[in-house]
Amino acid sequence: DTGVSQNPRHKITKRGQNVTFRCDPISEHNRLYWYRQTLGQGPEFLTYFQNEAQLEKSRLLSDRFSAERPKGSFSTLEIQRTEQGDSAMYLCASSLGALPEAFFGQGTRLTVV
Amino acid sequence: DAKTTQPNSMESNEEEPVHLPCNHSTISGTDYIHWYRQLPSQGPEYVIHGLTSNVNNRMASLAIAEDRKSSTLILHRATLRDAAVYYCILTTDSWGKLQFGAGTQVVVTP
Repeated sequence: DTGVSQNPRHKITKRGQNVTFRCDPISEHNRLYWYRQTLGQGPEFLTYFQNEAQLEKSRLLSDRFSAERPKGSFSTLEIQRTEQGDSAMYLCASSLGALPEAFFGQGTRLTVV
Repeated sequence: DAKTTQPNSMESNEEEPVHLPCNHSTISGTDYIHWYRQLPSQGPEYVIHGLTSNVNNRMASLAIAEDRKSSTLILHRATLRDAAVYYCILTTDSWGKLQFGAGTQVVVTP
């Protein structure tokens, strides 16, 4: 297992299109997190799953955003009707239970033109 | 969530120690202090965490003030690979739900 995997690494899309990103967490990690990071800023929390249940969503996650984690394994983050303000790095992280360390993927960089 | 304050940037020479301060004057009794770092074009990486006592691991040491209102991350011998943004974060319950600030950009010069 080589860590948290995110695909694609880069995505360029036209404004108004829908995009979907995938995150494969470390095997057996029951918790999965999505973050968004814009240039020069720290990552911002978006949402959090424990197994297949989405337990928390940030108010940053507008109704154009939806995340799923079917069967508690991989997760997808979909953005509908993309806007230029959605351009950012989308990061996924996973962790195991009560252990204090979260492992991050390398992210998917989204550019909306 | 309690907030932290860090300097925007710090410079260090290679193979010298780096002391990164973090102020968290509104920390609560149940807040843990976490440090993550982010290398260029990478996702954040866990460095260390602690509650009250000083902590050491293979990457760094964490010194926590007695009143817990501040802490210092210590990189004992900086290498060029330590050049990154270092984030000091407080968290209480969910370890992976992290509130990142702007962090401290560490520059290491040969």
